[in-house]
Amino acid sequence: GNSVTQMEGPVTLSEEAFLTINCTYTATGYPSLFWYVQYPGEGLQLLLKATKADDKGSNKGFEATYRKETTSFHLEKGSVQVSDSAVYFCALSDRGNKLTFGTGTQLKVEL
Amino acid sequence: DVKVTQSSRYLVKRTGEKVFLECVQDMDHENMFWYRQDPGLGLRLIYFSYDVKMKEKGDIPEGYSVSREKKERFSLILESASTNQTSMYLCASRAPGNNSPLHFGNGTRLTVT
Repeated sequence: GNSVTQMEGPVTLSEEAFLTINCTYTATGYPSLFWYVQYPGEGLQLLLKATKADDKGSNKGFEATYRKETTSFHLEKGSVQVSDSAVYFCALSDRGNKLTFGTGTQLKVEL
Repeated sequence: DVKVTQSSRYLVKRTGEKVFLECVQDMDHENMFWYRQDPGLGLRLIYFSYDVKMKEKGDIPEGYSVSREKKERFSLILESASTNQTSMYLCASRAPGNNSPLHFGNGTRLTVT
């Protein structure tokens, strides 16, 4: 079956530091890949997506590249801000109607 | 923008009560979902619906049922609430297609005492 594995959190960074949150996946077909963000007290929001190998999704300074050879979709940002503190979820969609989610990675950014 | 609205942000119910969680979406999406979110467990799918009056069990359907009488509305029902159903409940909708993202509501935090 499909699965998504994310790095354990929490990840604590200083403001302006470089961020990487690792995500790897297992899928039977050719999935679409997503990153969602959840700010405190809110639902999940789509951050970015990529639908085929070598695609790069980007939004709000965040980027992730769909790497089929390593089955990865790591989230990166060059300079984080305190306002980026949130929980980040990696997810895949591979046929059918459902998305498979990772367990989430909490990011804390400090001044 | 897609809007998914959950009727309550916070809900406190007693053990044994019947609980209704309501969700409405405004983008004519065929697919709607109910998840629960618990610390350390991520998001777990309870039920989903791919059309009016159609439903499928997700990963953890026990203790829950759903209703989809209209395309825009998807209700989650706890027939007899128990303390282990204290959780954050998230509703989502999605257009057809592998590339379509899920659109989430803001969640309902349910406490069963």
